[in-house]
Amino acid sequence: DAMVIQNPRYQVTQFGKPVTLSCSQTLNHNVMYWYQQKSSQAPKLLFHYYDKDFNNEADTPDNFQSRRPNTSFCFLDIRSPGLGDAAMYLCATSRDNQGLQETQYFGPGTRLLVL
Amino acid sequence: DQQVKQNSPSLSVQEGRISILNCDYTNSMFDYFLWYKKYPAEGPTFLISISSIKDKNEDGRFTVFLNKSAKHLSLHIVPSQPGDSAVYFCAAMTLGVAGSARQLTFGSGTQLTVLP
Repeated sequence: DAMVIQNPRYQVTQFGKPVTLSCSQTLNHNVMYWYQQKSSQAPKLLFHYYDKDFNNEADTPDNFQSRRPNTSFCFLDIRSPGLGDAAMYLCATSRDNQGLQETQYFGPGTRLLVL
Repeated sequence: DQQVKQNSPSLSVQEGRISILNCDYTNSMFDYFLWYKKYPAEGPTFLISISSIKDKNEDGRFTVFLNKSAKHLSLHIVPSQPGDSAVYFCAAMTLGVAGSARQLTFGSGTQLTVLP
């Protein structure tokens, strides 16, 4: 089945220790998104890749970076995690064609715990 | 500033009855609306959507209603089933310029519990 896969599902890291979350997709979608969701809050878009073009949200902290080495993979790097970065991180993909709106498909998420 | 609001954090409904989940938005540029369902330990799953040129869209037990003048949409589930118990997120987007990514703005979700 075509899908969005996130690894790991649970990640524990120490305060200030860099961590990388990964997302892969078999849908061949050209857009990939990273969202942060804290408890009982709406998912908040951090950034997205439209093909190879990186688009950062204005209020995304510099601590958060992303890489997309190819169509299938996208990584979220947190350079120096703080306690406030503990959250669920959701990856999503969509196919964006001119004139056609496409649904975003989400992975299961990675729950990050910062000690 | 929350552009998409779901004011009810939780809703309980008896099996077989109607579930009505509500969502309000403030940005008049939004022209496409979606509902996602989320089970614990899973990512949100697309459920149903509606374009601003319509006021109703139906898919099986799920119907979404849009009232543009009130900037309000609702999701009706009839009949409700225990398997429908999940968090439901309302989301909105502006279709925008062709070739640019269409970004979703989410509400904070409503936990629906369908009681057997």
